[in-house]
Amino acid sequence: DVKVTQSSRYLVKRTGEKVFLECVQDMDHENMFWYRQDPGLGLRLIYFSYDVKMKEKGDIPEGYSVSREKKERFSLILESASTNQTSMYLCAIKRTGGRTEAFFGQGTRLTVV
Amino acid sequence: GENVEQHPSTLSVQEGDSAVIKCTYSDSASNYFPWYKQELGKRPQLIIDIRSNVGEKKDQRIAVTLNKTAKHFSLHITETQPEDSAVYFCAASMAGNQFYFGTGTSLTVIP
Repeated sequence: DVKVTQSSRYLVKRTGEKVFLECVQDMDHENMFWYRQDPGLGLRLIYFSYDVKMKEKGDIPEGYSVSREKKERFSLILESASTNQTSMYLCAIKRTGGRTEAFFGQGTRLTVV
Repeated sequence: GENVEQHPSTLSVQEGDSAVIKCTYSDSASNYFPWYKQELGKRPQLIIDIRSNVGEKKDQRIAVTLNKTAKHFSLHITETQPEDSAVYFCAASMAGNQFYFGTGTSLTVIP
């Protein structure tokens, strides 16, 4: 079955640090997404990618960037972490076949202090 | 872009009762509407979906209805059980590209 692996379950970083969140998938899926999840706000799309070196802004891209140098890896970068970026970050791939779905990784709980 | 609204934000029901969660969307081009369940500490997982050419779909105790004219769709859970307690998200998508999610409903089933 498909695997979407996020490199860390929990991270604590200091304000101003550059933070990398890594996501790796194992099934050659083209579409990959980064969401952040906050109570009462649901899942908000930060960035997505349709292919290697392709990226598109989602609804809340400010303060973030992404990198997709290889098809299986989609990285979210916080250029200078701030406390308002404390959140749960979820990576997802678009899985097709019998059903079309956003298949999620386990999430990274990031705390910026 | 698409805007998905979801209500209620919290819902408590007695075990055995039914639960209904409602969502509206803004873009008439959206044609795919999945529902996700997120148990505490776990990833959201797809539980049921419906496409715009279908008005209703059922899978055991869960069902989804879609009204394209009014741009709303609903999740219905019958005979609720404690294991149905979770956060539920609706979503809308055009051709399964970007997925736009609602704000979530925290369902508690009281034994």
